[in-house]
Amino acid sequence: AQSVTQLDSQVPVFEEAPVELRCNYSSSVSVYLFWYVQYPNQGLQLLLKYLSGSTLVKGINGFEAEFNKSQTSFHLRKPSVHISDTAEYFCAVTSGGYNKLIFGAGTRLAVHP
Amino acid sequence: GAGVSQSPRYKVAKRGQDVALRCDPISGHVSLFWYQQALGQGPEFLTYFQNEAQLDKSGLPSDRFFAERPEGSVSTLKIQRTQQEDSAVYLCASSFVNNEQFFGPGTRLTVL
Repeated sequence: AQSVTQLDSQVPVFEEAPVELRCNYSSSVSVYLFWYVQYPNQGLQLLLKYLSGSTLVKGINGFEAEFNKSQTSFHLRKPSVHISDTAEYFCAVTSGGYNKLIFGAGTRLAVHP
Repeated sequence: GAGVSQSPRYKVAKRGQDVALRCDPISGHVSLFWYQQALGQGPEFLTYFQNEAQLDKSGLPSDRFFAERPEGSVSTLKIQRTQQEDSAVYLCASSFVNNEQFFGPGTRLTVL
């Protein structure tokens, strides 16, 4: 069975500092990996996805993630965060087919001035 | 509208009441998913439709939960005899087959 572990439930950071949100997955088959962002009282918005090809994936809002098969990780990074990046971030995995998503518990990113 | 819409956005029910939650997917999207998001948790899969066919309902927590999509467009998630543990945000997502899922804003259900 697939599962996703987000190692940090909360990450506080100062504005303009770099940030990394960690995600590890377990799966016995090939996977597709996603990062979603959820702002308060809103649905999920796709930040980026890894399907195949280059292991470094660039997404919206300056975020990027690197797929590391040997470490079964897909950590999300941004070199300089803004106050507006304060939100909940979810890592998710699917093995394809009709793309039922398995989500991690989420990481709350709090950007302070 | 261009996105997935859900109604109502907020629902308060007394324990034992039946509720119905509606999802309007993006026009032309074949696939429709329902997820349940408990407070402080990630979304968990409930059920999946391809057009009007419910192909996977393995995530429905009990037989009090029922979903339908009779014409392959709008979907309704019904919860009978609501319990306090049903309190959560219910998210709907739609996609063209095997593509990115677009999520609605969710319905926050509170059972008193």
